[in-house]
Amino acid sequence: AQSVTQLGSHVSVSEGALVLLRCNYSSSVPPYLFWYVQYPNQGLQLLLKYTSAATLVKGINGFEAEFKKSETSFHLTKPSAHMSDAAEYFCAVVHYGGSQGNLIFGKGTKLSVKP
Amino acid sequence: NAGVTQTPKFQVLKTGQSMTLQCAQDMNHNSMYWYRQDPGMGLRLIYYSASEGTTDKGEVPNGYNVSRLNKREFSLRLESAAPSQTSVYFCASSERRGLVGEQFFGPGTRLTVL
Repeated sequence: AQSVTQLGSHVSVSEGALVLLRCNYSSSVPPYLFWYVQYPNQGLQLLLKYTSAATLVKGINGFEAEFKKSETSFHLTKPSAHMSDAAEYFCAVVHYGGSQGNLIFGKGTKLSVKP
Repeated sequence: NAGVTQTPKFQVLKTGQSMTLQCAQDMNHNSMYWYRQDPGMGLRLIYYSASEGTTDKGEVPNGYNVSRLNKREFSLRLESAAPSQTSVYFCASSERRGLVGEQFFGPGTRLTVL
């Protein structure tokens, strides 16, 4: 069965600092992976997705993620944090099996940005 | 183009009361989903509808029922609400249940059961 693990439920960075949010996946087949962002009191919106076309995926708002099969990781990065990046971030993997095609979400990482 | 809309935005129920959460999408998507979000738990799938006329259980279906009324609308019903169902509920839709299909989310319904 597929799963994702997000390391760190809370991450705090200073404005202008590097953002690194960690996601490790478990999958017996090549995975399809997503990062979603949730701003306070809103629904989720897609940041980026990995569908095996390229290992480095660029998303919206300057975020990118690199798929590393050897490390079973799909970490999200942004070179310079902005106050508007404060939100909760979810990693997700497509599930194979009985409910094939559905997403399985990690527990989320809340990002705080200090001025 | 409103995307995915949910009503109501907020609701307070007493234990044992029933209610229906409404969801509609205007993107002509085939698949729709209901999730619940609890602190530290991420999103968990309650029910989904791969296409009009079909519904299936997700990870946490107990205490809920759903209806795919037509291609646009997918409702979630709590027959006898319990405090454990206090949560934020999100509806989502996607073009199809597929390996790379992005899901689009509504703004959520915040439900409190006393």
